[in-house]
Amino acid sequence: QVQLVQSGSELKKPGASVKVSCKASGYTFSSYSMNWVRQAPGQGLEWMGWINTNTGNLEYAQGFTGRFVFSLDTSVTTAYLQISTLKAEDTAVYYCARYSSSWYAFDMWGQGTMVTVSS
Amino acid sequence: EIVLTQSPGTLSLSPGERATLSCRASQSVSSSYLAWYQQKPGQAPRLLIYSASSRATGIPDRFSGSGSGTDFTLTISRLEPEDFAVYYCQQYGTSPLTFGPGTKVDIK
Repeated sequence: QVQLVQSGSELKKPGASVKVSCKASGYTFSSYSMNWVRQAPGQGLEWMGWINTNTGNLEYAQGFTGRFVFSLDTSVTTAYLQISTLKAEDTAVYYCARYSSSWYAFDMWGQGTMVTVSS
Repeated sequence: EIVLTQSPGTLSLSPGERATLSCRASQSVSSSYLAWYQQKPGQAPRLLIYSASSRATGIPDRFSGSGSGTDFTLTISRLEPEDFAVYYCQQYGTSPLTFGPGTKVDIK
């Protein structure tokens, strides 16, 4: 079945880096863009941007430029989110979400990866 | 950036009652680009409604969406115990994609 499986929770110190993976299966990976969404503890959903899984083109939302990098490994149908120079305010659940260009919505989500930044 | 405002912030209702959730946009959104999601504690969001009024696969018909322009509504005709959750609207007619702050539907 169609699914997005993300890597497990991470505990990092301020200044460190983290790389979250999102493994897609059950569909043609290059047919759907992959988006990333952040949810800070007790807060709402915040769109971080997207990567075109066919061309590799990227768009980062305001506030997610510089320290945030989206990438792909199409050979293993996996998308990645790397965050460098982590700060306490990066503590959040990070979701990957598949974008349906037919429905103009996120029709499949990963289970989320909790990233905790604490000294 | 299109700002989405949801009201009320919290809706306290009993099972069997009707829930009406509002999503208002700061500027007009094409109906094609308005979606609703449900999120339960500890879970990822789930797509309920896309294109303002179309139910996603497997979504019960007690969920319905309506609206156009700047005013959209999600209606749950009769609340089931599993419907108590947070609901978010989202638009992607104009970049950046934005979400509303959410409406929590809790048990009265």
